[in-house]
Amino acid sequence: EVQLVESGGGLVQPGGSLRLSCAASGFTFSTFYMSWVRQAPGKGLEWVANIKLDGSERNYVDSVKGRFTISRDDAKHSVYLQMNSLRTEDTAVYYCTSGMSEVWEIGHWGQGTLVTVSS
Amino acid sequence: DIVMTQSPDSLAVSLGERATMSCKSSQSVFHTPNNKNYLAWYQQKPGQPPKLLIYWASTRESGVPDRFSGSGSGTDFTLTISSLQAEDVAVYYCQQYSNTPPWTFGQGTRVEIK
Repeated sequence: EVQLVESGGGLVQPGGSLRLSCAASGFTFSTFYMSWVRQAPGKGLEWVANIKLDGSERNYVDSVKGRFTISRDDAKHSVYLQMNSLRTEDTAVYYCTSGMSEVWEIGHWGQGTLVTVSS
Repeated sequence: DIVMTQSPDSLAVSLGERATMSCKSSQSVFHTPNNKNYLAWYQQKPGQPPKLLIYWASTRESGVPDRFSGSGSGTDFTLTISSLQAEDVAVYYCQQYSNTPPWTFGQGTRVEIK
């Protein structure tokens, strides 16, 4: 069974930093894209970042470029999101997602971790 | 960036009736080399993460009831629930995952019981 378990969320002041982690199990981790998607309270889904299966390519939504960094550790079956210079508008549930055998880009979702940016 | 626009924003349908919702992309998400549309549909219930229903625009994910179907190509797509059940009350999102990120989502369509 595929499992994606996020951790690292919490309350942080504006301008602060957080590092989210996502531990994956139940599939061949190095085969698929890994992404982060967020959802602000009461709002829709926003794709944030992804990293290619070999880590050679990383992409970000414009609003987080220069502040967030996605990385992966295939040996630990984990993907990370380093978030710096956090803003109140970054407040959201952050979901880790992975591809699957039928479609390498999308498919599986974790339960999410809440990030609250507030003074 | 590709902009995804869903309609309507909300939909009220009687139990057992058909529910149909639309998703339009600002650019084609069809890839000629593999003849695939890079378009997915998700269902999200309150307090839960989204659940993948449909990928490649029309391929139903394993375990998804066959009352859910996806259609369309290029820039215009449709998700149909053929006979609405009480457990289908949710928000439905489309997402394009075409080659160049960001892999954008539509704003969602809320489905309720009439």
